[in-house]
Amino acid sequence: GNSVTQMEGPVTLSEEAFLTINCTYTATGYPSLFWYVQYPGEGLQLLLKATKADDKGSNKGFEATYRKETTSFHLEKGSVQVSDSAVYFCALLYGNKLVFGAGTILRVKS
Amino acid sequence: NAGVMQNPRHLVRRRGQEARLRCSPMKGHSHVYWYRQLPEEGLKFMVYLQKENIIDESGMPKERFSAEFPKEGPSILRIQQVVRGDSAAYFCASSLGQNEKLFFGSGTQLSVL
Repeated sequence: GNSVTQMEGPVTLSEEAFLTINCTYTATGYPSLFWYVQYPGEGLQLLLKATKADDKGSNKGFEATYRKETTSFHLEKGSVQVSDSAVYFCALLYGNKLVFGAGTILRVKS
Repeated sequence: NAGVMQNPRHLVRRRGQEARLRCSPMKGHSHVYWYRQLPEEGLKFMVYLQKENIIDESGMPKERFSAEFPKEGPSILRIQQVVRGDSAAYFCASSLGQNEKLFFGSGTQLSVL
């Protein structure tokens, strides 16, 4: 079936550190891939997306590249800020359903 | 333009009671999705509705759970005779149409005592 696997958290980093959150997927065909972010007390917000192989989604300094050969969509940011502390969800679109990973908590310390 | 509104934010029920979760989609959105997040797990799709129609309920438990999205008013997720295993965060999302961007609400945290 279709599934998404994310690295377990929490991930704790110091401000300005480099961030990588791993995400791999299993799917039939070539689904669109997404990263969502959930700030404390809020709903999920779309952070970035990629719709086909080799596409790079980017937003607010975050990037992720759709890698068909490794079925991955790792999230990266060169320099994190305290305000990036949140839960990050990787997801794929299957038909009309989003299939989510378990989420990765990111904590950034000043 | 208000976002997706869910209420209540927190709902406490005793085993055997009924839980009603409400979701008002963004203005102009006629597509609503319900997701459930169990502790330590990702969001799991439950049901997809358009106005007055259930499009896909493949993620809904077969018993005790139902959902509606009437012509007027919010979408309702109803859980009858709640059990402790129903304790979770329930998220609603809405979109303008199928395959359009989803906008999520802040969720309802259901706790069953």
